[in-house]
Amino acid sequence: TQTVSQSDAHVTVFEGDSVELRCNYSYGGSIYLSWYIQHHGHGLQFLLKYYSGNPVVQGVNGFEAEFSKSDSSFHLRKASVHWSDSAVYFCAVSAGYNQGKLIFGQGTKLSIKP
Amino acid sequence: GPKVLQIPSHQIIDMGQMVTLNCDPVSNHLYFYWYKQILGQQMEFLVNFYNGKVMEKSKLFKDQFSVERPDGSYFTLKIQPTALEDSAVYFCASSLQNQDTQYFGPGTRLLVL
Repeated sequence: TQTVSQSDAHVTVFEGDSVELRCNYSYGGSIYLSWYIQHHGHGLQFLLKYYSGNPVVQGVNGFEAEFSKSDSSFHLRKASVHWSDSAVYFCAVSAGYNQGKLIFGQGTKLSIKP
Repeated sequence: GPKVLQIPSHQIIDMGQMVTLNCDPVSNHLYFYWYKQILGQQMEFLVNFYNGKVMEKSKLFKDQFSVERPDGSYFTLKIQPTALEDSAVYFCASSLQNQDTQYFGPGTRLLVL
């Protein structure tokens, strides 16, 4: 069974600051890891995904995430946030053997102060 | 990115009635999914569908739920009869292949009274 944990329910930073949103997972086998963004009242937008290869994955709008097998983590980072990055961010995992079922974390709400 | 459409955007119905949620997936995608999100909570997997068959379903996918995609038209989620706890936002997603990136629709907000 796969589980996903996003330890921070809410993160607040100033515009222009860097930010890291944390995601930890538990699963012993091959795994796909993704990040999605959900603006208020909208559906999920895909940011990035990792399965193998370079553990640092580049996504849209300057986001990147780094996979760490030793830490069972897939943290999302951005060097300089913009007010439009205010949203809820969901980390998701999918076990390699299954038919693409995504297991989502609880979400982290990112608020940007001007 | 690729667009998934969902119709209607909102639906209010009385408990016990039937409701059909429609999803227009990305045109060449082969795998289809429904997820449920109760207000303020995380997204939860309901079911996935490929080649006319349900591949996997969660315990949230009750006997009152069914999915189909007749002749390549809308991918539908039908709930019959509805219950109060079915009130949620239902998101459809599609992917080209198994384990490919899933693209989500904007959701259908279902309120059961």
